[in-house]
Amino acid sequence: SQQGEEDPQALSIQEGENATMNCSYKTSINNLQWYRQNSGRGLVHLILIRSNEREKHSGRLRVTLDTSKKSSSLLITASRAADTASYFCATGGIGGTSYGKLTFGQGTILTVHP
Amino acid sequence: NAGVTQTPKFQVLKTGQSMTLQCAQDMNHEYMSWYRQDPGMGLRLIHYSVGAGITDQGEVPNGYNVSRSTTEDFPLRLLSAAPSQTSVYFCASSWNTNTEAFFGQGTRLTVV
Repeated sequence: SQQGEEDPQALSIQEGENATMNCSYKTSINNLQWYRQNSGRGLVHLILIRSNEREKHSGRLRVTLDTSKKSSSLLITASRAADTASYFCATGGIGGTSYGKLTFGQGTILTVHP
Repeated sequence: NAGVTQTPKFQVLKTGQSMTLQCAQDMNHEYMSWYRQDPGMGLRLIHYSVGAGITDQGEVPNGYNVSRSTTEDFPLRLLSAAPSQTSVYFCASSWNTNTEAFFGQGTRLTVV
């Protein structure tokens, strides 16, 4: 089974609105990463947050991490039509059977209407 | 700087045929991995490698084989293709799992 579970599965908003996506995971992690995938393309790294960090910003992106709840959220502010894509969270394991693995969630499909 | 290069981009196989999906990276990354992406399933890890000569199984390894003889290359072999292996395959590389992963553009495989 996959480590990350994302919510919602699909999100439809108007340009200018904020988009929030959530990710929950099951085991202890070293870090959590968010990726973006445009239709039919490879994944592009957006942001990485380490397990000892609680919040991180990059441009219009804000990521939070709550290790006690094993959850993370990605906020995209002032969304644009070009933000339309699938967004995935991925977790890096810290040891044992998780060592060396980057495990992805099922993704959130974001549609931003002009 | 090419990054991660996957070949071929598209492939159609008949059931029972074998083939190798190629993956090469020019960033001297130690970590490389193969994923398959199916509709509604996200990315599932097939095999991964933490360095030359070291490979391990991921979540869905059955029917696939890998080897890592050099840092640059991490080929994925389908031993006897089955329709269930119809999918989009992605190769990725990184310094380790604490750094960003770089992805290839994918190989769309259809098994008929």
